Amino acid sequence: EPEVTQTPSHQVTQMGQEVILRCVPISNHLYFYWYRQILGQKVEFLVSFYNNEISEKSEIFDDQFSVERPDGSNFTLKIRSTKLEDSAMYFCASSEVSTQFFGPGTRLTVL
Amino acid sequence: DAKTTQPNSMESNEEEPVHLPCNHSTISGTDYIHWYRQLPSQGPEYVIHGLTSNVNNRMASLAIAEDRKSSTLILHRATLRDAAVYYCILRDRDDKIIFGKGTRLHILP
Repeated sequence: EPEVTQTPSHQVTQMGQEVILRCVPISNHLYFYWYRQILGQKVEFLVSFYNNEISEKSEIFDDQFSVERPDGSNFTLKIRSTKLEDSAMYFCASSEVSTQFFGPGTRLTVL
Repeated sequence: DAKTTQPNSMESNEEEPVHLPCNHSTISGTDYIHWYRQLPSQGPEYVIHGLTSNVNNRMASLAIAEDRKSSTLILHRATLRDAAVYYCILRDRDDKIIFGKGTRLHILP
């Protein structure tokens, strides 16, 4: 069964550094998403992406964040100048139409 | 987005049916009722969705009240692997999912 994959599974970085989280969506899907979940809290929407552009973003997704689909298979989330409060699980999701399929997540730890 | 109300937690015995309730009294006519779940240390996982009629799939059944102001997710025979947080979500468009706190389901062996 096709699935969304994410790398790395765990990323540790120093405050102020840039990180890139990578996702490989399901191959025939057209809609891509990033969510995050701070430990013990709700899953929060960050951004949706369709047809090579952002279709919607939340208040969390400020200028520190960017997304890109650099080739036909990868979907990336870049976080510039990381802050302590960026520590969270980051989930990528993709969908063909309605049902979203989530990846296993990347745990980002900012020290 | 219309709001849903779910119990914070529930317990059930292994191999017994589980009924997870959800209230959504402000649901609009175009809102679909979706259920996702999140197993420990994993990403959310789609379970089932419906509009007006009851729905069945290999994972669960969804029973929707006639007035659509409430629904119930039914796991017919719970296993330890079904221990998770279950989210009841209303969606009127195929876009972002707004997650609430969900119901944490504990399965007792």
